[in-house]
Amino acid sequence: TQLLEQSPQFLSIQEGENLTVYCNSSSVFSSLQWYRQEPGEGPVLLVTVVTGGEVKKLKRLTFQFGDARKDSSLHITAAQPGDTGLYLCAGANSYGKLTFGQGTILTVHP
Amino acid sequence: NAGVTQTPKFQVLKTGQSMTLQCAQDMNHNSMYWYRQDPGMGLRLIYYSASEGTTDKGEVPNGYNVSRLNKREFSLRLESAAPSQTSVYFCASLYGTGVIEQYFGPGTRLTVT
Repeated sequence: TQLLEQSPQFLSIQEGENLTVYCNSSSVFSSLQWYRQEPGEGPVLLVTVVTGGEVKKLKRLTFQFGDARKDSSLHITAAQPGDTGLYLCAGANSYGKLTFGQGTILTVHP
Repeated sequence: NAGVTQTPKFQVLKTGQSMTLQCAQDMNHNSMYWYRQDPGMGLRLIYYSASEGTTDKGEVPNGYNVSRLNKREFSLRLESAAPSQTSVYFCASLYGTGVIEQYFGPGTRLTVT
């Protein structure tokens, strides 16, 4: 069974601060996805990283896949209240099954 | 395209009652999934269907059954609901070639009293 440890579980910061969320596993994934979920809605895909060492940027969000494809990080620069939400990482195996981290609840205060 | 749709949005059941959660996707995806989401536990896979006509158990299948009615529709049935099945249920679909990306429905919030 593949496990994906996501940290921190909760993050409460002021507008303008930077933050990093981590996902770690002892298993190798064929790809890793990051999702954002707002209350009452389903997770929405933000990005998929596939290659070890890959870095992708989405405006103020930077996603990195570890060289060994066992871990990933999400860095947000100058957080805004609109970034508030639940962030989920999910590792995929070659058969399309996803293993989700526990999630990080981010609150950005104005 | 509506993407992935789920019905109902909310449901309250009494212990022992049965119900079926409906899911449909209009993206011509091969694979479909049912997850449950509980606080602090992320999303856990209940059942999945890699293609029309096939279904397989996920991480937490006990107490649930599924039917892949056709390529578009994948339903989840609770035969005898228990309070432990109080959760938010999400359906997802995936195209399945190349990069793996799942697309989720809006969820069904189920309370079993």
